[in-house]
Amino acid sequence: GAGVSQTPSNKVTEKGKYVELRCDPISGHTALYWYRQSLGQGPEFLIYFQGTGAADDSGLPNDRFFAVRPEGSVSTLKIQRTERGDSAVYLCASSPWDAGGEQFFGPGTRLTVL
Amino acid sequence: ELKVEQNPLFLSMQEGKNYTIYCNYSTTSDRLYWYRQDPGKSLESLFVLLSNGAVKQEGRLMASLDTKARLSTLHITAAVHDLSATYFCAVDGGGGADGLTFGKGTHLIIQP
Repeated sequence: GAGVSQTPSNKVTEKGKYVELRCDPISGHTALYWYRQSLGQGPEFLIYFQGTGAADDSGLPNDRFFAVRPEGSVSTLKIQRTERGDSAVYLCASSPWDAGGEQFFGPGTRLTVL
Repeated sequence: ELKVEQNPLFLSMQEGKNYTIYCNYSTTSDRLYWYRQDPGKSLESLFVLLSNGAVKQEGRLMASLDTKARLSTLHITAAVHDLSATYFCAVDGGGGADGLTFGKGTHLIIQP
């Protein structure tokens, strides 16, 4: 079956611009997670959705970052006023259970802020 | 704050050898995950360890979990070149977050 998909695969933007990153989870998975991975590091948790609601957004670094999942399926991570330090690979994962279940990762979006 | 430490962070070994990667974590958790990441690729789930004493094996890889020692190991038996990758352990929970907390990864190179 289809895995987690993310678009775009690559995004290059200029400092100060707004970007949206999209995640399409595995069908039927109720839990959805966003992570950020910098070069040479492990993924860092950003936000977790259970259904339509953000159950835990404690990993979002500041108020420039926001994510939605309006219908409980596709999610969009939004970054305002991008900074060079936001450059990273943004990974999305989904899980068929509540938090603590096995997570299946998408291919990621590589964001480069010039 | 949950901390996850892996060692070694870098490992170069020859085919046919055995080695173990260690993963220590700082707070109580019963769930630990091992992932593999190839260069430029996403994370592939290898093992899910859900209880103290859990042991799982797949091919030349075997993972175990000791929740009392807060330690997991990933053992490689008779390594082959195709196992070259970065291996991450991850623990759920930590500071109220429901996402996983990852180690920095072990970059494994297996020389033919």
